[in-house]
Amino acid sequence: GAVVSQHPSWVICKSGTSVKIECRSLDFQATTMFWYRQFPKQSLMLMATSNEGSKATYEQGVEKDKFLINHASLTLSTLTVTSAHPEDSSFYICSAREPGGRLNEQFFGPGTRLTVL
Amino acid sequence: QKEVEQDPGPLSVPEGAIVSLNCTYSNSAFQYFMWYRQYSRKGPELLMYTYSSGNKEDGRFTAQVDKSSKYISLFIRDSQPSDSATYLCAMSAGGFKTIFGAGTRLFVKA
Repeated sequence: GAVVSQHPSWVICKSGTSVKIECRSLDFQATTMFWYRQFPKQSLMLMATSNEGSKATYEQGVEKDKFLINHASLTLSTLTVTSAHPEDSSFYICSAREPGGRLNEQFFGPGTRLTVL
Repeated sequence: QKEVEQDPGPLSVPEGAIVSLNCTYSNSAFQYFMWYRQYSRKGPELLMYTYSSGNKEDGRFTAQVDKSSKYISLFIRDSQPSDSATYLCAMSAGGFKTIFGAGTRLFVKA
């Protein structure tokens, strides 16, 4: 199957700073990537859908000015958590669809654990 | 009411047991049904992918979909300690949006 990587795998930052998380499709070009957040023992919550070359589509309740998404190339999407606060601490996971792949089949990255002090 | 309901467990079974994991849903428009396995601090990996109703088997894993009851199941035969993980059901009506269950934590004891 297709491979998706994320960097960093974990990050600790001070409150008020910004953190950038990268999501890369390694062996395919992904026109669409997804960003999820997962709290402990809870399910994946879709934050936004990232489309290459256009603005991301955010889910209801997700602040687009706080969670900046850039999908500048067919293999890279970035999520920037701006002015992070402790309540933003979570596990952030990206996924991507493989062109021509089965509808709704997503390949997930390994996730990034963000801890805001 | 959540669109997808899944018992979070934990579910603990001895090695070799048959495991049954289930989800119920409320949206009759769901057509695509998936099961993902997620190890601790890792991203989910796709186990089974089914469209509409019926059964699908892949090795020790069998997925069942009963659209009339809005109920899906994943069976694991001859369970192994390496099967210990969280299992997430997921479903979609089409398009890109996928709704995930809360995940069931499974422990297989050697």
